[in-house]
Amino acid sequence: DAGVIQSPRHEVTEMGQEVTLRCKPISGHNSLFWYRQTMMRGLELLIYFNNNVPIDDSGMPEDRFSAKMPNASFSTLKIQPSEPRDSAVYFCASRKNTDTQYFGPGTRLTVL
Amino acid sequence: DAKTTQPTSMDCAEGRAANLPCNHSTISGNEYVYWYRQIHSQGPQYIIHGLKNNETNEMASLIITEDRKSSTLILPHATLRDTAVYYCIVRVVEAAGNKLTFGGGTRVLVKP
Repeated sequence: DAGVIQSPRHEVTEMGQEVTLRCKPISGHNSLFWYRQTMMRGLELLIYFNNNVPIDDSGMPEDRFSAKMPNASFSTLKIQPSEPRDSAVYFCASRKNTDTQYFGPGTRLTVL
Repeated sequence: DAKTTQPTSMDCAEGRAANLPCNHSTISGNEYVYWYRQIHSQGPQYIIHGLKNNETNEMASLIITEDRKSSTLILPHATLRDTAVYYCIVRVVEAAGNKLTFGGGTRVLVKP
């Protein structure tokens, strides 16, 4: 299996621009998680989906962040407008039922 | 989920066993102990998990005390590639909504 796929791997944008991060979970997995990692705050869960339905978005920082999962094989995390404090590494992870989570390689976002 | 306490960092000699402690004194009866690690610039990687019995797989062994208030992850023969941040996580396994809450972890440096 290819594992969790994330794109892009690196993104540099200017403040105020819209940023879209993409994730393809492992085939057959029915839960998907978005995490953000910074030096200051460590690894934080932003939102997770179960069977394409958002279950808990309490970790989403503010209304500028939104996530969708239109089908079982694709999810997006969008930031609009982006700010310098959004600079971080964003990880996507997927899981089948209650099994362990498998993480993608991450997207390193830099907002100038 | 129960809070965990881990040492901030530790060194280990290459080829020797690395013993990583974790305290989880408030663990509940239905909470599992999970270990993940994160190698620099990569996504977290699952290592092992257990409920109350000791567990072993190809990567490591997990020793859980009888009262379940602490555990030790053992890397039997540490290599330089085992240099990473190791996270001990305690969580309930349920059908949906079992999210991982990452603490600060232990930064392990394997030295030649």
